[in-house]
Amino acid sequence: AQKITQTQPGMFVQEKEAVTLDCTYDTSDQSYGLFWYKQPSSGEMIFLIYQGSYDEQNATEGRYSLNFQKARKSANLVISASQLGDSAMYFCAMREGPGNQFYFGTGTSLTVIP
Amino acid sequence: NAGVTQTPKFQVLKTGQSMTLQCAQDMNHNSMYWYRQDPGMGLRLIYYSASEGTTDKGEVPNGYNVSRLNKREFSLRLESAAPSQTSVYFCASSELAGSYEQYFGPGTRLTVT
Repeated sequence: AQKITQTQPGMFVQEKEAVTLDCTYDTSDQSYGLFWYKQPSSGEMIFLIYQGSYDEQNATEGRYSLNFQKARKSANLVISASQLGDSAMYFCAMREGPGNQFYFGTGTSLTVIP
Repeated sequence: NAGVTQTPKFQVLKTGQSMTLQCAQDMNHNSMYWYRQDPGMGLRLIYYSASEGTTDKGEVPNGYNVSRLNKREFSLRLESAAPSQTSVYFCASSELAGSYEQYFGPGTRLTVT
């Protein structure tokens, strides 16, 4: 079974609108972490936001927020007020296990339309 | 601080050749990781080292070996390269506390012909 599932290969959003990128995860651990990374066309991996499994409040970092629904095992990324520079691949990832192994989803390509 | 550095940036190998990808971090992180990224597959973990002196297999370890040389350096070796190992390779490091956020190197684009 996939540890991280991103079901949206590609998404389009109008500039200044909000967009939600979906992510579901699979783990039997009680302690785990969820991450979102951005990969622009230049190729580097940029950390966006983190949510710990014990965190009761949804994480927020500027225009990024993580909608964490533990019972549904979902960790969707919400980008508010989209900008042209937000056009990139977005990866959801999970850390679990005593060795802190990481698993990444297959990514969502976001295109912001002027 | 340079963060995570990787060498080389690009490499072309012939089938059967060997090479070592180098990775170093200057953030005093305990954990280091090697990933490969293929189109449509996201990043897949090859090997990781939770702390100095330990290494463990990830999802796709076959055809690779690693060495955690010291706390700073973590190398990935291809003993006999195959075309299926054509990929972009990323090294990352993280701390064993807090968010465990991973810091990534710029990547190595490897082509095996």
